[in-house]
Amino acid sequence: SAVISQKPSRDICQRGTSLTIQCQVDSQVTMMFWYRQQPGQSLTLIATANQGSEATYESGFVIDKFPISRPNLTFSTLTVSNMSPEDSSIYLCSVEGSPSTDTQYFGPGTRLTVL
Amino acid sequence: KQEVTQIPAALSVPEGENLVLNCSFTDSAIYNLQWFRQDPGKGLTSLLLIQSSQREQTSGRLNASLDKSSGRSTLYIAASQPGDSATYLCAVELPGNTGKLIFGQGTTLQVKP
Repeated sequence: SAVISQKPSRDICQRGTSLTIQCQVDSQVTMMFWYRQQPGQSLTLIATANQGSEATYESGFVIDKFPISRPNLTFSTLTVSNMSPEDSSIYLCSVEGSPSTDTQYFGPGTRLTVL
Repeated sequence: KQEVTQIPAALSVPEGENLVLNCSFTDSAIYNLQWFRQDPGKGLTSLLLIQSSQREQTSGRLNASLDKSSGRSTLYIAASQPGDSATYLCAVELPGNTGKLIFGQGTTLQVKP
């Protein structure tokens, strides 16, 4: 299995500012993803973080709002830009453990509150 | 567009009961189906994964079944314990081994001592 850490674990931010969330995996993985969990809701996929190329965004999410970096096979960042209270959510990164298992592993999440 | 629904939204049972959580999906074209557990304030823990060609998977007191043709999966928990209290999420992976998961809303389970 893969062990994933995220930083920060939580933050309170002011409207109009940006926050960068880091995701670190203890092994090299091909597939890495970012999800959002709004209060009382389930998880929604934001984007697939591609190593060495631009992220692939899902419908309703754009690069200007959620820029993503993936410099190598163990690390990725998600930035939430120009934040508003509607961005208050838990942001989680996930990886696919290995091609043979297809099991996905999730980080502990970053709880973001925007005032 | 794939949609995943979980029923019931919440469930409260006494310790020791066997219980079933339900998950349905609208498009039978899936790569696999996964059940996760989420504890308050925590990330997700993978419980079981069923490939699209499989019918069920078992791990300890947990058994998950998959009926792709009817778009249904069930998670059976035997002899429930207070430590099983959590939110259980069902997710289907879109075809093509994309790794992209579509989640249901979850069932919040409380097991009372």
